[in-house]
Amino acid sequence: AQRVTQPEKLLSVFKGAPVELKCNYSYSGSPELFWYVQYSRQRLQLLLRHISRESIKGFTADLNKGETSFHLKKPFAQEEDSAMYYCALVRSGYSTLTFGKGTMLLVSP
Amino acid sequence: GAGVSQSPSNKVTEKGKDVELRCDPISGHTALYWYRQSLGQGLEFLIYFQGNSAPDKSGLPSDRFSAERTGGSVSTLTIQRTQQEDSAVYLCASSSPGTGSYEQYFGPGTRLTVT
Repeated sequence: AQRVTQPEKLLSVFKGAPVELKCNYSYSGSPELFWYVQYSRQRLQLLLRHISRESIKGFTADLNKGETSFHLKKPFAQEEDSAMYYCALVRSGYSTLTFGKGTMLLVSP
Repeated sequence: GAGVSQSPSNKVTEKGKDVELRCDPISGHTALYWYRQSLGQGLEFLIYFQGNSAPDKSGLPSDRFSAERTGGSVSTLTIQRTQQEDSAVYLCASSSPGTGSYEQYFGPGTRLTVT
């Protein structure tokens, strides 16, 4: 069965510091990987997906199949980045999301 | 346009009672998903609809949970004989796989509290 692991429940950084939210997955096929974000009192929304290879709000994520990782990175954190971040996987041929347990990012001034 | 809507936003019920949670997906979205968000468990998949049929019910935790979708639109998640461990936020999402996009759009959730 597929599994997504986010080892950090909470990541606390200062404004302007680099951020890396870790995500590892286990799946024998070729997955599609996503990062979803939930800001305070807002609904869960897509941040980025690996196939797009784009940068959203300064965040990037690279799929490393060798290490089965999809870490989310930003070089300079902003206070408005404070939110709950979920890494998620879709199995090949399916559309349902398997989520990690999430990492709360707190960016302090 | 309007996003995914869910009702009620909050529901408090007594243990043993039945509850119904409603989801209105984005118009035209053929795929609909139910997830549960609880402390310590994160986000768990419950059931997936494509049109009115449910090809994947593997996430339903027990036979007390059921869901239906009518007219390829509104979906209702029913929990019978609620237990305290059913307390969670129930999220609905919809997507339009036919367009080639697997992005799921989430509703605001229904917070269920079983006392």
